Amino acid sequence: AQKITQTQPGMFVQEKEAVTLDCTYDTSDPSYGLFWYKQPSSGEMIFLIYQGSYDQQNATEGRYSLNFQKARKSANLVISASQLGDSAMYFCAMREGLYGGSQGNLIFGKGTKLSVKP
Amino acid sequence: NAGVTQTPKFQVLKTGQSMTLQCAQDMNHNSMYWYRQDPGMGLRLIYYSASEGTTDKGEVPNGYNVSRLNKREFSLRLESAAPSQTSVYFCASSESFSFFGGASSGANVLTFGAGSRLTVL
Repeated sequence: AQKITQTQPGMFVQEKEAVTLDCTYDTSDPSYGLFWYKQPSSGEMIFLIYQGSYDQQNATEGRYSLNFQKARKSANLVISASQLGDSAMYFCAMREGLYGGSQGNLIFGKGTKLSVKP
Repeated sequence: NAGVTQTPKFQVLKTGQSMTLQCAQDMNHNSMYWYRQDPGMGLRLIYYSASEGTTDKGEVPNGYNVSRLNKREFSLRLESAAPSQTSVYFCASSESFSFFGGASSGANVLTFGAGSRLTVL
């Protein structure tokens, strides 16, 4: 079974609108971290936002926020006021604790390609 | 700060040739990783090194070897390249994971190199 599922291979959003990128995860470990990375066409991996499983509040970083619904095992990325420069691949990823079987390594979903229209 | 530097950026090999991808980080991180990225597959872990002196297999280790030369450097070797190893390779590094880092930005984050595009003919 996939540990990280991103069900939207591609999405379009109008400039200045908000967009939500979906991510669900699967773990039995109570201790884990959730990450979002951005990969523009230039290819580098850019860290956007992090949420720990024990964090009480949803993480926010500027225009990025992580909608963390622990019971649903959901960690959706919300980008407010989209900009043309937000066009990129977005990857959701997870690090599990010692009991999750992945030795704390980062496991990635397959990504969502976001295109921002002017 | 250079962060994570990997070389070369591009390489074309013939089937059966060998090569080594080099990676160095200057952030004093304990853990280092090698991932490969293929279209539609996301990033998959090849090998990792939790600390200096240790290396372990990831999800797709076949056909690769690694060396953690010191705390800064972690190399990936293809002994006999195959067309299936055509991919983009990323090196990354991080602190050892702590679940009690709270929601502070940057906690437990992997920092990636710029990637190396390898083509095996």
